[in-house]
Amino acid sequence: AQSVTQPDIHITVSEGASLELRCNYSYGATPYLFWYVQSPGQGLQLLLKYFSGDTLVQGIKGFEAEFKRSQSSFNLRKPSVHWSDAAEYFCASSGNTGKLIFGQGTTLQVKP
Amino acid sequence: NAGVTQTPKFQVLKTGQSMTLQCAQDMNHEYMSWYRQDPGMGLRLIHYSVGAGITDQGEVPNGYNVSRSTTEDFPLRLLSAAPSQTSVYFCASSLGRGPGDYGYTFGSGTRLTVV
Repeated sequence: AQSVTQPDIHITVSEGASLELRCNYSYGATPYLFWYVQSPGQGLQLLLKYFSGDTLVQGIKGFEAEFKRSQSSFNLRKPSVHWSDAAEYFCASSGNTGKLIFGQGTTLQVKP
Repeated sequence: NAGVTQTPKFQVLKTGQSMTLQCAQDMNHEYMSWYRQDPGMGLRLIHYSVGAGITDQGEVPNGYNVSRSTTEDFPLRLLSAAPSQTSVYFCASSLGRGPGDYGYTFGSGTRLTVV
């Protein structure tokens, strides 16, 4: 069955430090993979997406993610975190049916 | 383009009442879906539709009905509201199922409280 797991519920990093948010997926074939961000009280904004091709994808706000088929992972990274990056981050996957399934989310806190 | 429009933004219901959450998109998207968001649970798919006249169940469909009579609209009906349905509801739409730019677009959400 299609599923997405985000192992870290809550992560705290210092401003300026690097960030990596983990995401693991389960799907029979190569899924379409997404990262979304949600600020408090807001809707979801798409950060980046992977369909095929280059396994390192660049997104908005300086984020990137790497697809690793051998590890069934699609981790989100940012070299230097800003206080405005504090938010909840969701990994999601979609198969050929287009049904979009989300992980549980990771809350990012940024220390000054 | 207004994108995905959800109404109302806030709603309080009494247990046992029924209501319809509205969702409309003006992007001619074939694919539409409803999610509920609860703390620590992420977003869970309630129902989805791949085109007018076609709907299917998602992860948590019980207590909810949907229909898709037009491409633009995808209302979500709560038949008999229960406190467990207190949540934030999001509607989303997409260009389609094929490979390429899925472009999922989300509405701003409806915060529902059932007392």
